[in-house]
Amino acid sequence: AQSVAQPEDQVNVAEGNPLTVKCTYSVSGNPYLFWYVQYPNRGLQFLLKYITGDNLVKGSYGFEAEFNKSQTSFHLKKPSALVSDSALYFCAVRDIKTREYGNKLVFGAGTILRVKS
Amino acid sequence: SAVISQKPSRDICQRGTSLTIQCQVDSQVTMMFWYRQQPGQSLTLIATANQGSEATYESGFVIDKFPISRPNLTFSTLTVSNMSPEDSSIYLCSAKRTGGLEQYFGPGTRLTVT
Repeated sequence: AQSVAQPEDQVNVAEGNPLTVKCTYSVSGNPYLFWYVQYPNRGLQFLLKYITGDNLVKGSYGFEAEFNKSQTSFHLKKPSALVSDSALYFCAVRDIKTREYGNKLVFGAGTILRVKS
Repeated sequence: SAVISQKPSRDICQRGTSLTIQCQVDSQVTMMFWYRQQPGQSLTLIATANQGSEATYESGFVIDKFPISRPNLTFSTLTVSNMSPEDSSIYLCSAKRTGGLEQYFGPGTRLTVT
């Protein structure tokens, strides 16, 4: 079965500092990995995905994520945080074994990011 | 990306009643999905909405409680039937384009059952 863990309920960072939001996953095959952001009273917005290839993927709003197969991790990063980055962030995984799992996305519990000025 | 709209954006309903949520996508997509986000929790997939046929439900969700329709490629409805306070959640529609891997989400419907 697929699963995703986001070990931190909340991450606090000062504006201008680098930020990291952690995600680890478990799948039986190879993963497709995604990050989404949810602002208050809004739906989820897609940030970036890892499918294959370069372990460092770049996405929207200056975010990037690093895939590490040996550690089964996909941490979200940004070199310089903005107050406007404050939101709820979700990591999600889809198992490539589509016959068994279809297009099912499994989401982590979410991490609240607070950026203070 | 796909632009997805949902109606209503929020509603307060009495227990025992039903609510139908509509989801409209701006272009043709291959797959549409319905998720539930309970207060303070993550998203859980309810079902995949299949065009012209019965939806595919995840474990723990049944058609009698959450009937779903998808009459064409760009429109789907989710009904929450015989509601109880435990059904109070945000319900989100998502869609995936042909050849794409990421899902795009609507703004959600915030349901409160009293």
